[in-house]
Amino acid sequence: AQKITQTQPGMFVQEKEAVTLDCTYDTSDPSYGLFWYKQPSSGEMIFLIYQGSYDQQNATEGRYSLNFQKARKSANLVISASQLGDSAMYFCAMREAPNDYKLSFGAGTTVTVRA
Amino acid sequence: EPEVTQTPSHQVTQMGQEVILRCVPISNHLYFYWYRQILGQKVEFLVSFYNNEISEKSEIFDDQFSVERPDGSNFTLKIRSTKLEDSAMYFCASMGQGVGNTEAFFGQGTRLTVV
Repeated sequence: AQKITQTQPGMFVQEKEAVTLDCTYDTSDPSYGLFWYKQPSSGEMIFLIYQGSYDQQNATEGRYSLNFQKARKSANLVISASQLGDSAMYFCAMREAPNDYKLSFGAGTTVTVRA
Repeated sequence: EPEVTQTPSHQVTQMGQEVILRCVPISNHLYFYWYRQILGQKVEFLVSFYNNEISEKSEIFDDQFSVERPDGSNFTLKIRSTKLEDSAMYFCASMGQGVGNTEAFFGQGTRLTVV
């Protein structure tokens, strides 16, 4: 079964607008971590934001925020005030202790920011 | 900010040749991983390494693959006899201990092309 599901293969957003990237996850373990990474066309994986399963507050990092809805098992990434440099592939990933702490990735969402 | 370093950034090799991909993880991390990403596809787990031994490996990680941490700093992935389908981006990742640890950093990747 898929541990991480990203249902949006691609999205377009206008510069300066906000965009929400969906991510749902599947785990029976109460302790887990959720990550978002950005992969520009150059290929590197850039860590954006982290949410722990026990965190009470939604994570924020600059223009990135994570809308964590634990009961729904969703961890959507919100990018506010989109910039042209935000055009990239975005991956949601989950880390679980029973799985040796390794990251399981979703299929990714390609974001294209239009001027 | 600490970083994971991978060399080379790009490697072209003949089918059947051996390749060694190198990584220098973050020094105080305990968990090291190799992932691969075939062009345009999702990031796939290959192997995890903890306490100087393989702790988990995926079905992709067959007898052609091996990992080593020969000198306490470098972490290498060897592919003994490369096949065309091994062409991919290979990422090394270095993580701190515990699900609650937010540090999960990737190297910039090695793009392997098998011809």
